[in-house]
Amino acid sequence: DAGVIQSPRHEVTEMGQEVTLRCKPISGHDYLFWYRQTMMRGLELLIYFNNNVPIDDSGMPEDRFSAKMPNASFSTLKIQPSEPRDSAVYFCASSLGMALYGYTFGSGTRLTVV
Amino acid sequence: GQNIDQPTEMTATEGAIVQINCTYQTSGFNGLFWYQQHAGEAPTFLSYNVLDGLEEKGRFSSFLSRSKGYSYLLLKELQMKDSASYLCAAYNTDKLIFGTGTRLQVFP
Repeated sequence: DAGVIQSPRHEVTEMGQEVTLRCKPISGHDYLFWYRQTMMRGLELLIYFNNNVPIDDSGMPEDRFSAKMPNASFSTLKIQPSEPRDSAVYFCASSLGMALYGYTFGSGTRLTVV
Repeated sequence: GQNIDQPTEMTATEGAIVQINCTYQTSGFNGLFWYQQHAGEAPTFLSYNVLDGLEEKGRFSSFLSRSKGYSYLLLKELQMKDSASYLCAAYNTDKLIFGTGTRLQVFP
């Protein structure tokens, strides 16, 4: 089991550019979550999917953020256009069922927008 | 609304016992999770309490009081490797809502 795989690990981009973060959940897991972590706000839930369907995107900060899950083994989080305040660590997590056994987090993508 | 509070930082000495408190206010509460996160790494699952009482797992124990909206994580026989952030998370309907975490520093 390779765990939840995120890419890239680090991303530095200029303000206004499009950024795409990628996630491969653990095979067989039916829930996928995107979180953002900053020192000030901690881990914030952005959006989550169940069986590839978005269930709750109320945490997505604004229209510049979008997420897709085209199949059970892949999800993307896109920011267009990016802004310096988007700088954070973005985590993807997956779980089997409704988190009774906890989520498994990926290693995260550290995004810096300059 | 939803609110989860825990202390920002704590310090302790190697071999000692430390208790990290967490209070929460959330609708649709289904349980309380604790995660450990070392600097620069992903959070990892420590414990899950759904019923009131104490759950013990080796050196770590977690307690929940649903009526008081309160939980704590107890770490015994502290080791240097326990220096990390500890995240309290309320399980709300079908998602985890995290607190900002408590950064624990263990000194020799």
